[in-house]
Amino acid sequence: DTEVTQTPKHLVMGMTNKKSLKCEQHMGHRAMYWYKQKAKKPPELMFVYSYEKLSINESVPSRFSPECPNSSLLNLHLHALQPEDSALYLCASSQDQGVRLSGANVLTFGAGSRLTVL
Amino acid sequence: AQSVTQPDIHITVSEGASLELRCNYSYGATPYLFWYVQSPGQGLQLLLKYFSGDTLVQGIKGFEAEFKRSQSSFNLRKPSVHWSDAAEYFCAVGAREQAGTALIFGKGTTLSVSS
Repeated sequence: DTEVTQTPKHLVMGMTNKKSLKCEQHMGHRAMYWYKQKAKKPPELMFVYSYEKLSINESVPSRFSPECPNSSLLNLHLHALQPEDSALYLCASSQDQGVRLSGANVLTFGAGSRLTVL
Repeated sequence: AQSVTQPDIHITVSEGASLELRCNYSYGATPYLFWYVQSPGQGLQLLLKYFSGDTLVQGIKGFEAEFKRSQSSFNLRKPSVHWSDAAEYFCAVGAREQAGTALIFGKGTTLSVSS
């Protein structure tokens, strides 16, 4: 299995709702990432988990709350979002956060969850 | 500071014609270089990567890229474009120490294919 699976593909929520985005991989990767991508823009890194511990938080507002229950799963909990948070949220994974030997840790991306905040 | 520049925001190519997408990077050491492709509403798919060795890298879907250190470039090429190649293309540079977390993307080039 060489895929990163994200659910749901589309999510519409109000500003007072609480929802979650889910990401799953079964490649044995130990690093998982959340990226945010606005239309016609490159992806922007939000969070990185390495061996199930949060290693990087790119100053993301607290209304986004990541969780890594185990090495295969990554969640992004959403609460009290703003309309400007509407975007494509991409999950990615890599073998490791660091570099090993000649094989750098290439990111494998999921198809994304399209979030619309009303 | 590390940066990636994709000079062309939008390119239109006729089906069957050759393609070259430009990418220039700024990085203090030898970088890891990547090209990703993104179809509308989809995630990013890795086309090819350069870490070391042969500066001409072959990727999937008939794409290749050439690393030119003297020009700080990593241009993507394809000899004959297919209509299915229409998509957004991102060049990215990664630090050797943390290839995943230090991935810096260019702003992307939109490729349109005309019949």
